[in-house]
Order: sequence, then structure tokens, then C-alpha cells
Amino acid sequence: DQQVKQNSPSLSVQEGRISILNCDYTNSMFDYFLWYKKYPAEGPTFLISISSIKDKNEDGRFTVFLNKSAKHLSLHIVPSQPGDSAVYFCAASTTYNQGGKLIFGQGTELSVKP
Amino acid sequence: EAEVAQSPRYKITEKSQAVAFWCDPISGHATLYWYRQILGQGPELLVQFQDESVVDDSQLPKDRFSAERLKGVDSTLKIQPAELGDSAMYLCASSSTAATQYFGPGTRLLVL
Repeated sequence: DQQVKQNSPSLSVQEGRISILNCDYTNSMFDYFLWYKKYPAEGPTFLISISSIKDKNEDGRFTVFLNKSAKHLSLHIVPSQPGDSAVYFCAASTTYNQGGKLIFGQGTELSVKP
Repeated sequence: EAEVAQSPRYKITEKSQAVAFWCDPISGHATLYWYRQILGQGPELLVQFQDESVVDDSQLPKDRFSAERLKGVDSTLKIQPAELGDSAMYLCASSSTAATQYFGPGTRLLVL
């Protein structure tokens, strides 16, 4: 039972354009969502998060959108840069203030071409 | 900038041998997590500690895996005996009171 799904295993975009990575979840109890970036042979690096009381959070080139009714979140990267090429994982948690375990999606490999 | 430390970074072992991984969380982080990531999948939680106590070890294969955090700071994850299917990346993460978890560089295990 995959509670968090990233249905696109890969995405290729041109440098300077927008990258949109998508994530769907099934558990309506999730109240905190995060995006991580991962390079090969390294641990995931925290990018941006959003709590269920918001529908948008922005940090520089990264914006996360949350649509609770559709149980869908997305990460927008504008403008995309070659250094953004990595695997992106979305993750969800049910215990925002208590540090509960994260449920991860399968990841989307982003390739930004010069 | 504070980081989660893990060692070793790479480990090659033969099946039936014992292996151990070490993690030192960000200073002051009370919660420590061990995740396992198989290639092509997202990380999955093995065990969660709050200080020195285990909060969640429901996905830890207890017949061969053990984890401890004796003084509530650093932690050790052990596998004995290792099996071919244990080949994966083992990730340690820590968090303070909030839900954001910060990951270490991981230990890549190859069981031959």
C-alpha cells in the first residue's frame, strides 16, 4: 500500500524553464509534507516543507503547492538550473509537532539540460 | 552548519557476517531515525528513537537487526547475520521538536 506516490520516475527540462514535480497521497491524516533532493551516493537534503494549514510555501526558486481536496502536492523550480539535476523525493508525516516518521514517495529523477 | 555524521560511508561484507553502522545526530536533536533505501525506491523507516527510547521499530527485522542509542546521543545499527537482500543505503536522520528531519550522508552496504 503506497501511501505517497510519485508517478513520474523521470523528468527532463531545459535550463531556465520551469520544473514541476508532482506527488499524490492517500492518507488524509498527513499534516506535514516535505521535499528532499538527493544526489547519488549521498543522503537526502531537505529543500522545502509545507504544513496542511497552508496551500503554498515559497523559498527562493522553490515553491510547494498543496491541494488537500485532491491529496496532491507539487514542487515548482523556477528557473531550473543544471545543478538542480538530482532525484527528488516527496515525503509526508502525520505528527507535525512530534516528529513522526516520514513516508516517502519513490522519487522523480530531474534532468536539467543546458 | 551542523550535520548528521555517519560511518562508514561504504561497507562490503559477505553474507552471514555481522556489520555495524554508526550515527551521530545534530547536537541537541532528541529524535533519531534509521531508514533503509533500496535503489529505485524511497527511504523506509527501520527504527525511531526519542532520546534513548525506541518509539517505533515496527519495520525493523528483529531476528537479524538491532539498534541502540544508549546515552541518547549517537546510535548504532547492527545486522547479524547479513543477507544478500540487505544490500541498500542505510540513512540516519535527526530532528528537534519540529517534523523536519535532516539526513546524514548514508552508508552504502553491499552484501556478497
